Amino acid sequence: TQLLEQSPQFLSIQEGENLTVYCNSSSVFSSLQWYRQEPGEGPVLLVTVVTGGEVKKLKRLTFQFGDARKDSSLHITAAQPGDTGLYLCAGSHLVLGRGSTLGRLYFGRGTQLTVWP
Amino acid sequence: KAGVTQTPRYLIKTRGQQVTLSCSPISGHRSVSWYQQTPGQGLQFLFEYFSETQRNKGNFPGRFSGRQFSNSRSEMNVSTLELGDSALYLCASSLRSQGVPDTQYFGPGTRLTVL
Repeated sequence: TQLLEQSPQFLSIQEGENLTVYCNSSSVFSSLQWYRQEPGEGPVLLVTVVTGGEVKKLKRLTFQFGDARKDSSLHITAAQPGDTGLYLCAGSHLVLGRGSTLGRLYFGRGTQLTVWP
Repeated sequence: KAGVTQTPRYLIKTRGQQVTLSCSPISGHRSVSWYQQTPGQGLQFLFEYFSETQRNKGNFPGRFSGRQFSNSRSEMNVSTLELGDSALYLCASSLRSQGVPDTQYFGPGTRLTVL
C-alpha cells in the first residue's frame, strides 16, 4: 500500500499546454518534496514544502502544500519538451525520539510526463 | 559542493552471487538512506544509517544489509542474489538535523542486473 497516491500516472501533452499533478495521502507529513527523475538517473530535488498552505514557485512550476499537510500539487505552465520526466512526490515525518521515522521518505508511484514539440 | 556519488554505476551478476554497492554522501551530511527502484514497485525504502548506526529499516529480507563508516560513506550488500533484485539502487544523503525538514539528495544510482 502506497502512503502517497499520485495522479495521473501518465500524462502526454503538447508543448505550451498547462498541467497539474496531484499527490494525496491520508497521513500528515512534516514536509513534502518533489523530485524529477530522468531515465537511469537519480531523482533531482525540485522543491521542499513545509508549511500547510505554502505555495512555492520555480519559474513555470508552482508547488502547493495542502492546509492539512496531507496533499500537494505541482502545476506546470506552458510545458516544454525539457519538462519531460518522471515527477515524484515524497513525504517525510518529523518524529523525534524512539521509533523515529526521520530519515525515511515515503514516495508516490510517480507521474510520467511527456511533452511533445 | 560535490553531490552524492555512487559506485559502480552498472553491475551484472548471476543468481546466488553477492554484491556490494558504495555511496559517498554530500560533504557534511551524516545520514545516508538507501532505496530500491523498480518499474512495478516504484521507490521502496531499504534502510537509513546515521552516525554509523542503522536508524530505520524497510520491509526487505535479511539478504539486504548495509553499514556506514566514520566518514559517513555507506555500503549496501545484497547476498544470494535473486532475479527480482534487478533494480536501480539509489542512495540519498541528508543533514538529519532535529527540527529541520529532512531534505534528501540522491545519487545517480547503481543499475543492478541479475541474470
